Amino acid sequence: GAGVSQSPRYKVTKRGQDVALRCDPISGHVSLYWYRQALGQGPEFLTYFNYEAQQDKSGLPNDRFSAERPEGSISTLTIQRTEQRDSAMYRCASSPSPGLAAIGDNEQFFGPGTRLTVL
Amino acid sequence: AQSVTQLGSHVSVSEGALVLLRCNYSSSVPPYLFWYVQYPNQGLQLLLKYTSAATLVKGINGFEAEFKKSETSFHLTKPSAHMSDAAEYFCAVIVPPKIIFGSGTRLSIRP
Repeated sequence: GAGVSQSPRYKVTKRGQDVALRCDPISGHVSLYWYRQALGQGPEFLTYFNYEAQQDKSGLPNDRFSAERPEGSISTLTIQRTEQRDSAMYRCASSPSPGLAAIGDNEQFFGPGTRLTVL
Repeated sequence: AQSVTQLGSHVSVSEGALVLLRCNYSSSVPPYLFWYVQYPNQGLQLLLKYTSAATLVKGINGFEAEFKKSETSFHLTKPSAHMSDAAEYFCAVIVPPKIIFGSGTRLSIRP
């Protein structure tokens, strides 16, 4: 597609339910990133992939959060046993270069985000 | 640790007036800085980036930013605001592989 897409765009769930958020990166992009953006704040890094390999998950808040990118393209961020504090905008970005590429190649292209509300 | 601070969570200017959005960084090494814009219901879009090639960086939509090492600043400016500039603006620094964002400044344009 022309850009990064995410689905669903909005998700409302009850506390304790599991949710899966999907990211479709720009075709051919090597690296894929997940960020979380709380209201009134900038996005915060969660994790990223080079191809299908998860390289850094230091930003994941706890073990209820996991992500995968099994074929090196589409990625899914899963939150188990959701809590109200998980409510946020979840943003995905992709880049044509690996995550540790030269600085000038590090441009990341962001999707529209998924707004998650946990009741 | 590298970080950025945006001064002012909300800035309001009249149409045609100068836009100035402030960003200060903290870094022990030369930083690579970005400005992103977020329009309502859209993703983040790169406005411009500083990668040490030139201290004055020109971006899209008439925006520019000047890197001032002595002031550890990377303020975003536009000479004449347009209604379509209303959005949220984020200053960011790259610490590979992640981007560290400031808390954002919402720009409003008064007719």
